[in-house]
Amino acid sequence: QQQVKQSPQSLIVQKGGISIINCAYENTAFDYFPWYQQFPGKGPALLIAIRPDVSEKKEGRFTISFNKSAKQFSLHIMDSQPGDSATYFCAASKGTNAGKSTFGDGTTLTVKP
Amino acid sequence: EAEVAQSPRYKITEKSQAVAFWCDPISGHATLYWYRQILGQGPELLVQFQDESVVDDSQLPKDRFSAERLKGVDSTLKIQPAELGDSAMYLCASSRRQGGDEQYFGPGTRLTVT
Repeated sequence: QQQVKQSPQSLIVQKGGISIINCAYENTAFDYFPWYQQFPGKGPALLIAIRPDVSEKKEGRFTISFNKSAKQFSLHIMDSQPGDSATYFCAASKGTNAGKSTFGDGTTLTVKP
Repeated sequence: EAEVAQSPRYKITEKSQAVAFWCDPISGHATLYWYRQILGQGPELLVQFQDESVVDDSQLPKDRFSAERLKGVDSTLKIQPAELGDSAMYLCASSRRQGGDEQYFGPGTRLTVT
């Protein structure tokens, strides 16, 4: 049973456009929702994270939108750049142990110049 | 900038052989994690250490996998015997403490079992 479903599997966006990646979760006990960015040959790196007490969090060009009732959250990348081309993973965990995060299967983003 | 170190970066081994991976977390990080990432999927936690103690190894296939962190610093993950299905990226991560803290991932070890 996959507890975190991520879509789309791949995404192609023009430079300057908005990239949107969606995730849905099943376990209502989840209370920490990070997004990771992974470049080829590298480990994932934390990009931005949100807890369910807020509906939106913004850091620079990256925004998480969170819908607790729908059990969905999404990553928006504004003004997408070729350097943003990478694989993005959403994740969810419960309690304070981020190490027990359940990851989505990833979205490969390609930003065309 | 401090980083999590892993070695080797790549490993090719034959089925039924033993293989070992090493991880050196960021200095001062008490919590260490080993993940397995199959191509096209997200990482899956195999084992979590708090200092030298195992906190969670519920997803570790204990018939063939073992992990240790004897002095609470660096860690070794071993597979014996390796099977074709073990081909994956093995990621190590560390964080300052168990709860509520950012994990820092190493570059991973890409294992291919032939």
